[in-house]
Amino acid sequence: AQSVTQPDIHITVSEGASLELRCNYSYGATPYLFWYVQSPGQGLQLLLKYFSGDTLVQGIKGFEAEFKRSQSSFNLRKPSVHWSDAAEYFCAVALTGGGNKLTFGTGTQLKVEL
Amino acid sequence: GAGVSQSPSNKVTEKGKDVELRCDPISGHTALYWYRQSLGQGLEFLIYFQGNSAPDKSGLPSDRFSAERTGGSVSTLTIQRTQQEDSAVYLCASSLGWGNTEAFFGQGTRLTVV
Repeated sequence: AQSVTQPDIHITVSEGASLELRCNYSYGATPYLFWYVQSPGQGLQLLLKYFSGDTLVQGIKGFEAEFKRSQSSFNLRKPSVHWSDAAEYFCAVALTGGGNKLTFGTGTQLKVEL
Repeated sequence: GAGVSQSPSNKVTEKGKDVELRCDPISGHTALYWYRQSLGQGLEFLIYFQGNSAPDKSGLPSDRFSAERTGGSVSTLTIQRTQQEDSAVYLCASSLGWGNTEAFFGQGTRLTVV
């Protein structure tokens, strides 16, 4: 069965600093890859997704992620973090053709210091 | 409605009681998913419905859990004989179809079993 690892449970960055959240997956083939964000009291919002093609994908709110097949990774990045980015971030995978039957990582809680 | 609506937003129930959680998907979305978010298990897939196809129940943790979707729209997740380990946030999502289109999540129902 596929699995998703987010090795960082908590990350603190200063506002304006760059951000990278790590995500590794374990699956026999290249799955579909997603990043979601969950703000306090809110549902999950899709930031970006990778199905195929260009390995660098752009998402909403200035986020991007790069798929690296050799490392089975799909790390999320943002060049300059805003205080409003404080939230929990989840990486998720789905089987190719598996719709939105998602396997989620355990999440990374982002704190932004002003 | 504008988004996925779940009710109630909070539910406290006594151990052993049955509970019903409701999800109203976005109008026109044929695919509907239930997930559970708990401290111990993170975000877990429970069940999905796609059109008139038989639901994928592979994520339901026990036979105390069941779900139905009436008229291809509203869905109800039922937990019978609730246990304390059922305490979690139950999230519903919908998407336009089974393909890898974006899933929109509701804000969830927080279930507390006392």
